[in-house]
Amino acid sequence: AQSVSQHNHHVILSEAASLELGCNYSYGGTVNLFWYVQYPGQHLQLLLKYFSGDPLVKGIKGFEAEFIKSKFSFNLRKPSVQWSDTAEYFCAVNEDTSGTYKYIFGTGTRLKVLA
Amino acid sequence: IAGITQAPTSQILAAGRRMTLRCTQDMRHNAMYWYRQDLGLGLRLIHYSNTAGTTGKGEVPDGYSVSRANTDDFPLTLASAVPSQTSVYFCASSDYLPRTGAAGGEWSEQYFGPGTRLTVT
Repeated sequence: AQSVSQHNHHVILSEAASLELGCNYSYGGTVNLFWYVQYPGQHLQLLLKYFSGDPLVKGIKGFEAEFIKSKFSFNLRKPSVQWSDTAEYFCAVNEDTSGTYKYIFGTGTRLKVLA
Repeated sequence: IAGITQAPTSQILAAGRRMTLRCTQDMRHNAMYWYRQDLGLGLRLIHYSNTAGTTGKGEVPDGYSVSRANTDDFPLTLASAVPSQTSVYFCASSDYLPRTGAAGGEWSEQYFGPGTRLTVT
């Protein structure tokens, strides 16, 4: 079965530090990839997505992610984090074939940014 | 534009009681989903619906039922609540995007509701 792994469960950084959150998926076919953010007490919001084309995807709030097909990875990066980036981050995958309508989520990474 | 609304926002429920969590979307999306979010386990899919009139089981369907009588509404029912169903429940929707000038399409990102915090005592 398709699965998504997020290796870092908790990350603590100081403001201005660089961020990279890992995401690996198990499916070998064509996939759509997503990163969502959940701020404390709020619902999930889309940060960025990859469907096709340039494997380096830029999202909102200065986040970007790189799709590396050979490594089955879609790591999230931000050059300089801010205190307001404190949140939980979820990687998700959707298989790009008709008839499959489920999205698989990783277990999430809790990021705490110290001011 | 409201997107997805959920009701109630929170609820404390006695074990054994029946409860329906409501979810309504105004985006005319084809697919809708119910997830539960528990600490350390991320989001787990309970049930989904590809289109009005059809539903399917997700990863953790036991103890829950859904219906999809129309495009906009996707209620989740707990027939007889148990403490292990204490969780935060999120409803979501997504749309099928046909490709321009080519066959097939792909599913959009999911849009999430604000969640319902349910405590079963």
